[in-house]
Amino acid sequence: NAGVTQTPKFQVLKTGQSMTLQCAQDMNHNSMYWYRQDPGMGLRLIYYSASEGTTDKGEVPNGYNVSRLNKREFSLRLESAAPSQTSVYFCASSEARGQEETQYFGPGTRLLVL
Amino acid sequence: GESVGLHLPTLSVQEGDNSIINCAYSNSASDYFIWYKQESGKGPQFIIDIRSNMDKRQGQRVTVLLNKTVKHLSLQIAATQPGDSAVYFCALENQGGKLIFGQGTELSVKP
Repeated sequence: NAGVTQTPKFQVLKTGQSMTLQCAQDMNHNSMYWYRQDPGMGLRLIYYSASEGTTDKGEVPNGYNVSRLNKREFSLRLESAAPSQTSVYFCASSEARGQEETQYFGPGTRLLVL
Repeated sequence: GESVGLHLPTLSVQEGDNSIINCAYSNSASDYFIWYKQESGKGPQFIIDIRSNMDKRQGQRVTVLLNKTVKHLSLQIAATQPGDSAVYFCALENQGGKLIFGQGTELSVKP
């Protein structure tokens, strides 16, 4: 039982390049989330998927798109990376959203945009 | 708006001592609170949670206390060990289902 896995672990991009961050969970959770973590800002929600087939914006969605590919997988895409998107990205999953269910986090993807 | 704040950004304790990490929140309607531990280079790891119908919950070496009157949450770690060194985040779930995180307290354990 691997929990929440993320790929890649590290990535360096040039401004304007695109990339997709992958996330998968094997806990049969319904809800999945993407956060970014910046120094002094804590964790901020980018997008979430309350259930398979649905996605919604979080606190900081601009510059990102997501796809809930199936129940296991939730990807985050940067279409045209900007230096402001340099951050650590965490994927999380929970049994259900908004029902006092704990969110479990992946190990993170460290992204540097030059 | 809703906010979660920690009283101290850093805390240094001697190995074997008890640690207390505090958190204050602004939303009195919050019903669910969680403490996470984040080690360097890793994702947040669930430690313990508490619902608003409780004021205390104990785990293995950890205790969470919730004071809804003053909107205060604390994490107590008994007999702190070097492996406890990490950043600790409190989080609460608001009525919209959003998890709101505090900024974290970095705990350092001196041998």
